[in-house]
Amino acid sequence: EIVLTQSPGTLSLSPGERATLSCGASQSVSSSYLAWYQQKPGQAPRLLIYGASSRATGIPDRFSGSGSGTDFTLTISRLEPEDSAVYYCQRYGYSPPFTFGQGTKLEIK
Amino acid sequence: EVQVVESGGGLVQPGGSLRLSCAASGFTFSDHYMDWVRQAPGKGLEWIGRIRNKANRYGTETAASLRGRFTLSRDDSENSLHLQMNSLTSEDTAVYYCARVGRWDGAFDLWGQGTMVTVSS
Repeated sequence: EIVLTQSPGTLSLSPGERATLSCGASQSVSSSYLAWYQQKPGQAPRLLIYGASSRATGIPDRFSGSGSGTDFTLTISRLEPEDSAVYYCQRYGYSPPFTFGQGTKLEIK
Repeated sequence: EVQVVESGGGLVQPGGSLRLSCAASGFTFSDHYMDWVRQAPGKGLEWIGRIRNKANRYGTETAASLRGRFTLSRDDSENSLHLQMNSLTSEDTAVYYCARVGRWDGAFDLWGQGTMVTVSS
């Protein structure tokens, strides 16, 4: 089973700044089957990025994903107050289990 | 509107059973694999299992830790997904989400609002 480790655990930044969230995998993630989700309090997760770097429908271009193999990054530029949320990475695809990282909490000051 | 809506959660005693449902609308449900994910209070996301589509013989996969207690099924004629949970313990207390698997990439591209299951005496 691939274990995903996210860092940092919590990130506190100001509006307009850039956030860099990391996701490390214990084994190589094949075909870049790596996704990022945003979850706001009391809400369901929402798909942001799939295939490590492709934005899901309706996601603003402030959100970008990069990486391959075992190291992946979610970058959020020009932070806005509504970006406050917990962000999860996930290894998905067609060979389970489809594990999630433990999450990074992003706070906008 | 494209959506999935979970139902069936509630309070259940330890050792009891519960059947959750997920109603899909606004898309061709029968084309998609569907998954269940849960989230214990204040914790992260945990993948529960998957059921494939008819073309893939409705094959299922379940997380190793839940195998034997949790069973996934679907009814394409009703556009519905189900999760049968048996021998419940307090560790099964969580919000349970159903999620649609994207046809072309496989990420979880549509989530319901979740249904809360509380296991307590």
